[in-house]
Amino acid sequence: NAGVTQTPKFRILKIGQSMTLQCTQDMNHNYMYWYRQDPGMGLKLIYYSVGAGITDKGEVPNGYNVSRSTTEDFPLRLELAAPSQTSVYFCASSYGGVNYGYTFGSGTRLTVV
Amino acid sequence: QQQVKQSPQSLIVQKGGISIINCAYENTAFDYFPWYQQFPGKGPALLIAIRPDVSEKKEGRFTISFNKSAKQFSLHIMDSQPGDSATYFCAASISFGNEKLTFGTGTRLTIIP
Repeated sequence: NAGVTQTPKFRILKIGQSMTLQCTQDMNHNYMYWYRQDPGMGLKLIYYSVGAGITDKGEVPNGYNVSRSTTEDFPLRLELAAPSQTSVYFCASSYGGVNYGYTFGSGTRLTVV
Repeated sequence: QQQVKQSPQSLIVQKGGISIINCAYENTAFDYFPWYQQFPGKGPALLIAIRPDVSEKKEGRFTISFNKSAKQFSLHIMDSQPGDSATYFCAASISFGNEKLTFGTGTRLTIIP
């Protein structure tokens, strides 16, 4: 099982550029999440989804968009990249929410210059 | 608003010693408290979790102690080993109807020989 796969692993963007961080899972999990991790700040929830076609904002959604057209995929879109979006982004999935534990991908390190 | 406060930010423990990481929460509706372990370059992975109906949960060398009245919980790692060197995150959530975790800021644990 591949688990949760994130691409790319690293990316450098210029201010104002856009990009999509890809996330796919092969565990048939309904719940999927996007977090960003900044030094000393822990993990902050950006967006989450409890099933295909359903998405909701987390704690820090500004500057990001998501879609969930299939159970497997949960891409995160950055529009008009800003230096404040420099971070490590983690995608996670869960069979049935928090009680079942999260499976995290290995992350995407994004730098905006 | 920081709903889960974690301390210390970093911790150095000698091999064979006890590592202790503390967390405090504010939301009394929280009823699920997991700990996640993250190695460099990897995503976090579920380590152990507790619910407030018990005061302690032990899995191998890892123990969670929970104090509901003080709204605090802690992770104890007995006989700490160099392989335990990682970043540890506490988290909290409401089990049902709110399918997302709120993470603490993380503790970088280093076990020295």
